[in-house]
Amino acid sequence: EIVLTQSPGTLSLSPGERATLSCRASQSVSSSCLAWYQQIPGQAPRLLIYGASSRATGIPDRFSGSGSGTDFTLIISRLEPEDFAVYFCQQYGSSLTFGGGTKVEIK
Amino acid sequence: QVQLVESGGGLVKPGGSLRLSCAASGFTFSDYYMSWIRQAPGKGLEWVSNISSSGSDINYADSVKGRFTISRDNAKNSLYLQMNSLRAEDTAVYYCARRGSSGWYFFYWGQGTLVTVSS
Repeated sequence: EIVLTQSPGTLSLSPGERATLSCRASQSVSSSCLAWYQQIPGQAPRLLIYGASSRATGIPDRFSGSGSGTDFTLIISRLEPEDFAVYFCQQYGSSLTFGGGTKVEIK
Repeated sequence: QVQLVESGGGLVKPGGSLRLSCAASGFTFSDYYMSWIRQAPGKGLEWVSNISSSGSDINYADSVKGRFTISRDNAKNSLYLQMNSLRAEDTAVYYCARRGSSGWYFFYWGQGTLVTVSS
């Protein structure tokens, strides 16, 4: 099973700042089969990125994904108030596993 | 518009059973692979099971293998999860989700149904 480790656990930032979230896999994720989700408490996850770098329909371009192999990154270029949430990565190259999440909180 | 609506959650004793349903609408259900994904209170996401569009290809997480059964009825546009021998650690919100067009990522999710396993 591929284990995904997300860091940091919590990111304290102010609106307008840049957020950089990391997702590291225990082994190489094939064909960049990695997705990122945003989850607001009490709601279902929202797909942001798939294929490591493709934005899902309706996702603002301040969200960008990059990486390959074992190291992946989600960047939110300028945080908006609605971006403060928990973010999960998920690999789907070998079965399916999720990372433990990164909480982006208001500083 | 695509809608996925789960039902069937509730409180059940350890060792008990529960059947979850997911009613799909707004798309051709029989064309899509589907999944169940769960989230324990305050925890992360855990994939539970997948089923192909025809129902012929099924996969389970090790944590539920032998206890849970996924199925679908394409005529009723419905996805199911039969959960037997429930344990406290199965307590979670259970989501149904539709596979993406090019891989096992999920754009469409239901609102979730809470399963609580407690005596």
